[in-house]
Amino acid sequence: QVQLVQSGAEAKKPGDSLKVSCKAAGYSFTDYMIEWVRQAPGQRLEWMGRINAGNGDTTYSQKFQGRVTMTRDTSATTAYLELSSLRSEETAIFYCARGIWGGPPDYWGQGTLVTVSS
Amino acid sequence: DIQMTQSPSALSASVGDRITITCRASQDISNSLAWFRQKPGKAPESLIYGASSLQSGVPSRFSGSGSGTDFTLTINSLQPEDFASYYCQHYYVYPFTFGQGTKVEI
Repeated sequence: QVQLVQSGAEAKKPGDSLKVSCKAAGYSFTDYMIEWVRQAPGQRLEWMGRINAGNGDTTYSQKFQGRVTMTRDTSATTAYLELSSLRSEETAIFYCARGIWGGPPDYWGQGTLVTVSS
Repeated sequence: DIQMTQSPSALSASVGDRITITCRASQDISNSLAWFRQKPGKAPESLIYGASSLQSGVPSRFSGSGSGTDFTLTINSLQPEDFASYYCQHYYVYPFTFGQGTKVEI
């Protein structure tokens, strides 16, 4: 069955960078997109961007442009999210999800809590 | 960016009830609308895509309708696991934005 397993919780300081991984299994990794979604405590879901796992093309939300990098390793069927210059108000759970071109996500990872505090 | 607005923000219901949640887009998004359920402390689950098509494995008590700017999610015969938050999301153009959520409480 389709599974997306994310890396564990992290604690960061303001100004740090984060890197979250998303290991995919149970489907053909390169046939789909991987989306990244952020959720601050008590807040709505926020779409950050997506990567085409096949060709590596990326689309980022303008809100994160310049600070976000999404990559993938096809041999490891793993996608990565990097976000730099973290601020204390950016404590959040980061989710990866499988998506299709022209469609929404269907399967989600379990989430990775990133706490940003001095 | 396209703004997505859900109503109500919260509602109280009982097991067995029928409820409806609405989602309005700030511009025409055709039928590029998805719904998600998020149980407390858990990842979102995908329910509906294309405004009215059920994702694989989703119970038939869930249904969606609408096109253009106005959409609804209906849950017939609420089950205990349905007490959760629900989000709509458009995927018409980038960035794909979400509604603010609707919390369904007992």
